[in-house]
Amino acid sequence: DAMVIQNPRYQVTQFGKPVTLSCSQTLNHNVMYWYQQKSSQAPKLLFHYYDKDFNNEADTPDNFQSRRPNTSFCFLDIRSPGLGDAAMYLCATSSRTGGELYEQYFGPGTRLTVT
Amino acid sequence: DQQVKQNSPSLSVQEGRISILNCDYTNSMFDYFLWYKKYPAEGPTFLISISSIKDKNEDGRFTVFLNKSAKHLSLHIVPSQPGDSAVYFCAASDINAGGTSYGKLTFGQGTILTVHP
Repeated sequence: DAMVIQNPRYQVTQFGKPVTLSCSQTLNHNVMYWYQQKSSQAPKLLFHYYDKDFNNEADTPDNFQSRRPNTSFCFLDIRSPGLGDAAMYLCATSSRTGGELYEQYFGPGTRLTVT
Repeated sequence: DQQVKQNSPSLSVQEGRISILNCDYTNSMFDYFLWYKKYPAEGPTFLISISSIKDKNEDGRFTVFLNKSAKHLSLHIVPSQPGDSAVYFCAASDINAGGTSYGKLTFGQGTILTVHP
């Protein structure tokens, strides 16, 4: 089945210790998104890739970086995690062709704990 | 500045009855709206959408209503089933937005629906 996969599902890191979350997709979608969702809050878009073009949200902290080495994979790097970065991180994909807008497909998320 | 709001954190409904989930938005540029459903330990899954050129879209037990003048939409589930118990997110997009804003979704904070047998 075509899907969006996130690894690991649960990640514990220490305050200030760099951490990388990964996302892969078998949908062959050209757009990939990273969201941060804190408890009882709306998912908040951090950045997205349209093909290889990286698009950062204006309020995404510099502490968050991303890489997309190919169509299938996208990584979220948190350079120096703080306690406030503990959250669920959701990866999503969509297919954008011409003027059409397609829904986003989400992975199961990675729950990040910062100790 | 929360542009999409779901003011009810939770809703409890009896099986077989109607569930009505509400969503309000403030950005008049939004013209495409979606509902997502999320079970624990899973990512949100797309449920139903509506374009601003319509005021109703129906898919089986799920119907979304859009009131553009009130900047309000609602999701009706009839009849409700215990398997519908989940978190429901409303999301909005400006499909005419160009550049890097195209296709971006703004989410509400979700409503937890519990359907009792």
